[in-house]
Amino acid sequence: DGGITQSPKYLFRKEGQNVTLSCEQNLNHDAMYWYRQDPGQGLRLIYYSQIVNDFQKGDIAEGYSVSREKKESFPLTVTSAQKNPTAFYLCASSIGQKPNEQYFGPGTRLTVT
Amino acid sequence: LAKTTQPISMDSYEGQEVNITCSHNNIATNDYITWYQQFPSQGPRFIIQGYKTKVTNEVASLFIPADRKSSTLSLPRVSLSDTAVYYCLVARAPAGANNLFFGTGTRLTVIP
Repeated sequence: DGGITQSPKYLFRKEGQNVTLSCEQNLNHDAMYWYRQDPGQGLRLIYYSQIVNDFQKGDIAEGYSVSREKKESFPLTVTSAQKNPTAFYLCASSIGQKPNEQYFGPGTRLTVT
Repeated sequence: LAKTTQPISMDSYEGQEVNITCSHNNIATNDYITWYQQFPSQGPRFIIQGYKTKVTNEVASLFIPADRKSSTLSLPRVSLSDTAVYYCLVARAPAGANNLFFGTGTRLTVIP
C-alpha cells in the first residue's frame, strides 16, 4: 500500500530543544517537500528536495534543517533557533517533473512549551 | 511571481453547486493549476488539475479562461461532507521555492 507516513501524529517539546519530524514515502517519488501550517493559515514551504542529497530553502527555512540521504526519507529538524515552532507540519512528495501533483502525509502537530 | 489569491470563506446549502475562484495574475507559461481539499488535522488531498479550458473528473470541474489569470473550482451538488478548506496551487517544473505557490485557502461550509 503506497503512501506517505509522518510520525508521530502529535509531538510535545520543551522550548530550547531540537526535535526531528519523520517523513517516509514508498511512492518512488524523487521530490519531497516540507510545509508549515498555522491555525487558519495556508501552507508555507519550508524546504524542498528534488533528489537525494539536494535540497533548497523555501519561504520560511530559518530555524529548520533537513537531510535527504535516502530517496524515501526526508526528515525535518526544528531547531531551538525557530522562534515560533508550534504548528502543524506537512510533508509531501511528487514525481520530480510534476510539483503540481503532490501527495501529502497526515501531518505532525508540534507543540512547544 | 505567481501569487495566488482566494476568498477566505464561503457558505452553501446542501445540494447546490459551489464555485471557488483563485486569482493568479502573474501565472507563467509553464505553470499548472491544481486544487486540493483539506479536512481539519489532515493532509491536503488532490482534487483536480489543469492547464487551460475545462477539466472534469468524478468529483469536480476546473474552469480556466484563455488568459489563465484565474481558475474556478466547481463542486456540483455539495453535501455536508464537502465542508473543508480548498487550496489552489500554481506550480511548474522544475519545482523550487520560487516555482510553487499555494493560495491561502477558502473555507467552505455546507449548511443543511
